[in-house]
Amino acid sequence: GQNIDQPTEMTATEGAIVQINCTYQTSGFNGLFWYQQHAGEAPTFLSYNVLDGLEEKGRFSSFLSRSKGYSYLLLKELQMKDSASYLCAVRKRHGSSNTGKLIFGQGTTLQVKP
Amino acid sequence: KAGVTQTPRYLIKTRGQQVTLSCSPISGHRSVSWYQQTPGQGLQFLFEYFSETQRNKGNFPGRFSGRQFSNSRSEMNVSTLELGDSALYLCASSLTGQGSDEQYFGPGTRLTVT
Repeated sequence: GQNIDQPTEMTATEGAIVQINCTYQTSGFNGLFWYQQHAGEAPTFLSYNVLDGLEEKGRFSSFLSRSKGYSYLLLKELQMKDSASYLCAVRKRHGSSNTGKLIFGQGTTLQVKP
Repeated sequence: KAGVTQTPRYLIKTRGQQVTLSCSPISGHRSVSWYQQTPGQGLQFLFEYFSETQRNKGNFPGRFSGRQFSNSRSEMNVSTLELGDSALYLCASSLTGQGSDEQYFGPGTRLTVT
């Protein structure tokens, strides 16, 4: 089967750094995505990792360790607008193709306080 | 470029009825995926269509079905509605639905079953 775990809620202070962890167990791993979803809005893409290591994109970075089934999203210089739900999603390979469905974790609700 | 659009945005139905939701992907995108989002279960994959063919399927009962047209627009249908079908239904499009290809989500259709 497949399982994706994320903390349910986190709180951090404006200007600080926060790390949101995601662990997964799935066969046919074909990449991991992070999405941001503000309340009442659609999810928006943040990052993609398929190889081990760190991908940096501005204030956001994402790390992947395939052997450990582990990823994290790092948010630096937190701003109030970063208060949102952060969704970890694993692409599960369909057969031998490069396609596959996205399996989402429950999401981590981040609250940034002044 | 216009984003993913979904109609209707809100819908109220009674148990036993059926409903059809529509999704228009971003121009040029050929992959369309559907998700159900509820507070308890998070984002759950329903199915993915590519070139008018269902390419991937989630673990939902046969009451949930979909199709894709030659212009990549997609519809999903839920028959014999149950109270538990109340949810936000999100559609997401991508160029090919492969590898690092990110998904762009529409605003969703909020379905309430009474």
